[in-house]
Amino acid sequence: DIQVTQSPSSLSASVGDRVTITCRASQDISNSLAWYQQKPGKAPKLLLYAASRLESGVPSRFSGSGSGTDYTLTISSLQPEDFAAYYCQQYYSTPWTFGQGTKVEIK
Amino acid sequence: EVQLVESGGGLVQPGRSLRLSCAASGFNFEDYAMHWVRQAPGKGLEWVSGINWKSGSIGYGDSVKGRFTISRDNAKNSLYLHMNSLRAEDTALYYCAKDTGITGTHSHFDYWGQGTLVTVSS
Repeated sequence: DIQVTQSPSSLSASVGDRVTITCRASQDISNSLAWYQQKPGKAPKLLLYAASRLESGVPSRFSGSGSGTDYTLTISSLQPEDFAAYYCQQYYSTPWTFGQGTKVEIK
Repeated sequence: EVQLVESGGGLVQPGRSLRLSCAASGFNFEDYAMHWVRQAPGKGLEWVSGINWKSGSIGYGDSVKGRFTISRDNAKNSLYLHMNSLRAEDTALYYCAKDTGITGTHSHFDYWGQGTLVTVSS
């Protein structure tokens, strides 16, 4: 199985900050990586797929990059509605696996 | 509007069985692979099982293989998860999730239901 290690597990940031979350896969996943946002008590929401493609309707302040085993989610200017948990997911091979999650909290 | 509505969760004793259902609407159900993803209380996401459009390709996570069975009824726009030999560690919110594609060979999930809670306890 492909392991996905996500970091940090939590971070504190202020509105307007630039935030970066990383995921490292245990093998090359050829950009087969998605990012999700989950707010408390809600289902996850797809933000990006294929490492850097923005899902329809997602604000452009969200972006993704990376290749091989290392990937990054960046929020260019954190907004109040962005405080949430974020998960990456590899879909290169089954079983599909998620990172452990990053909780973005208000500083 | 895409809607996924899960049902069938509840409190069940260890070793017993339960069947979850997911009613889909707002899209051509038979054109997409479908999945179950779970989240234990306060924990992260875990893919449980997936099924392609024609039920010809099915997969399971390691922790449920041999105990859970996924199925679908395209005529009823419904997805199911039959869970046998339930354990305390199966306690979680179970989400039904729509694949972005038909085959389920490179699966990520663009729509999710609100989940149904399964609690395994004596």
